[in-house]
Amino acid sequence: EVQLVESGGGLIQPGGSLRLSCAASGFTVSSNYVSWVRQAPGKGLEWVSDIYPGGGTYYADSVKGRFAISRDTSKNILYLQMNSLRAEDTAVYFCARGRYQRLSEASPVYYMDVWGKGTTVTVSS
Amino acid sequence: SYELTQPPSVSVSPGQTARITCSGDALPKQYAHWYQQKPGQAPVLVIYKDTERPSGIPERFSGSSSGTTVTLTISGVPAEDEADYYCQSADSSGDLVFGGGTKLTVL
Repeated sequence: EVQLVESGGGLIQPGGSLRLSCAASGFTVSSNYVSWVRQAPGKGLEWVSDIYPGGGTYYADSVKGRFAISRDTSKNILYLQMNSLRAEDTAVYFCARGRYQRLSEASPVYYMDVWGKGTTVTVSS
Repeated sequence: SYELTQPPSVSVSPGQTARITCSGDALPKQYAHWYQQKPGQAPVLVIYKDTERPSGIPERFSGSSSGTTVTLTISGVPAEDEADYYCQSADSSGDLVFGGGTKLTVL
């Protein structure tokens, strides 16, 4: 069974750092597309970051330069290192397996077919 | 990046048909996907590539596309389908974008 389990969330002061983990089972993180998506309290879904099988990483403008996505192939775990945290980063963070096709230069197809239950990050003093 | 626009809410009586729209200028060129999210739970993919239904998703869920608008249709809505629904797409650089979400109320 394909499964994702996030951990590492908690209460952190503004300006602090936190590393989220996402343990995958039933598929290999290193050969798949994997994403982080977050949801602020009472708000909608917001894409945060992707990592591609070749190692390419992509970030939303709101986190670029502060967050870093990575993976440990030996442990089959995805990470999200979050630095310089702000109150607006408060959210439930989900990891999800991505499905990708590049139909043409202008038409990438990317959707997420398996999601974890999420881990909560609260940035507050 | 670009924006996807959804109505904040849609209401339907049990057994009726619910239609949730998602509009975006790039949708004629980009596929859209739909997720269902119930309170306190993770999103679940219900439609991908405008019209495709993942295995395990009931046949009452269907998708369509016309110009700058994609539509999620739920036929014969049961009370259990009350949830938030999000559309999602990707821009030409691969950045992902979600619509603001639509709360489906089954009265």
